[in-house]
Amino acid sequence: QKEVEQDPGPLSVPEGAIVSLNCTYSNSAFQYFMWYRQYSRKGPELLMYTYSSGNKEDGRFTAQVDKSSKYISLFIRDSQPSDSATYLCAMSTNTGNQFYFGTGTSLTVIP
Amino acid sequence: GAGVSQSPRYKVAKRGQDVALRCDPISGHVSLFWYQQALGQGPEFLTYFQNEAQLDKSGLPSDRFFAERPEGSVSTLKIQRTQQEDSAVYLCASSLVPFSQPQHFGDGTRLSIL
Repeated sequence: QKEVEQDPGPLSVPEGAIVSLNCTYSNSAFQYFMWYRQYSRKGPELLMYTYSSGNKEDGRFTAQVDKSSKYISLFIRDSQPSDSATYLCAMSTNTGNQFYFGTGTSLTVIP
Repeated sequence: GAGVSQSPRYKVAKRGQDVALRCDPISGHVSLFWYQQALGQGPEFLTYFQNEAQLDKSGLPSDRFFAERPEGSVSTLKIQRTQQEDSAVYLCASSLVPFSQPQHFGDGTRLSIL
């Protein structure tokens, strides 16, 4: 079993829809949780960064962490065609140097 | 520069050749990471530097892989006697301080072994 599980999709939604992306994990020591967006042939770009449990909002993006369920989510409101990309979750422990990534979910927003 | 810079962007090599991939981190960033990303997968950790010290190389898949950061800034990932399974995108990331701070990625080197 991988440390981080993420549904690879692909996910296709109409413009303006609310998108929900999710990851589950097995290591209860994970404390830092991140969401990255990766366009084709580009490096991952940091979207959201949270510590421990709770919610964090930034514009159209909301990240949620539920440590009791070992489950994290990213919500995208009013999705735009420019949001079409692969979304990667990543997490690490307090002292670990390694970031553990999910496989990524491919998202297409249709105009 | 403003971001992490990697070169070359694309590299094609014949099986058995040695390759060297370069990473220029964001200026002043202490931590530097190398990842391998296979097609359709997330990045997999290879190795970590704090300044010039290689503190974790547990992700290097074999002794054919070697990384260095001699002056604590630019880093080179070298792969000797390349194999077809080495074909992947190699990503470099840096962060300002050690331990779990968000990492900023370069656009990677796409390595193809024929």
